[in-house]
Amino acid sequence: AQTVTQSQPEMSVQEAETVTLSCTYDTSESDYYLFWYKQPPSRQMILVIRQEAYKQQNATENRFSVNFQKAAKSFSLKISDSQLGDAAMYFCAYRSVPTGTASKLTFGTGTRLQVTL
Amino acid sequence: DSGVTQTPKHLITATGQRVTLRCSPRSGDLSVYWYQQSLDQGLQFLIQYYNGEERAKGNILERFSAQQFPDLHSELNLSSLELGDSALYFCASSPMTGSWSEQYFGPGTRLTVT
Repeated sequence: AQTVTQSQPEMSVQEAETVTLSCTYDTSESDYYLFWYKQPPSRQMILVIRQEAYKQQNATENRFSVNFQKAAKSFSLKISDSQLGDAAMYFCAYRSVPTGTASKLTFGTGTRLQVTL
Repeated sequence: DSGVTQTPKHLITATGQRVTLRCSPRSGDLSVYWYQQSLDQGLQFLIQYYNGEERAKGNILERFSAQQFPDLHSELNLSSLELGDSALYFCASSPMTGSWSEQYFGPGTRLTVT
């Protein structure tokens, strides 16, 4: 079974600064998908960024980028120019390539990000 | 707004009772997933349905059951409720077309068992 580990329960960053959230995972599969989800106080789960394991190029979405190290099974999220609205719980998630139509997400325990003035 | 709706938003009930949580997926999405978010267990996958059929099962208790109806909406039934069942229950849907098949999450139903 796959596992996802987020070793930073809480992180803090000053507005306009850059912060990196860590995620490691364990799998024996060679192809899979990785995601970062944001959960603000509203509790809504919002997809931030995704990465296909077969792609060497790191994904980027505006101020959000990832550092995907497949051999090390590491998938960190970098938030640049942090904004107050970035304050939230961030979850790293793993998904196997769908077998048939089955395709669940496995989540890490989350990192709570605080953004200060 | 993800397009996934869940009702009710909040539910307070007593131990031993039975409740039903409802989920309407995005228009056209055939697959529905249920997840439980609790303080001690984190976010856990419960069960997945695709076009009316069960496709995958996770850490779902025997007291819990689900189904997906012909109109593709889904219900999660929780019975003989215990204090530990208090959690946020998410429904997500995906079109299951193409390899990405991003899962779109609903706003969740917060269940409090007293």
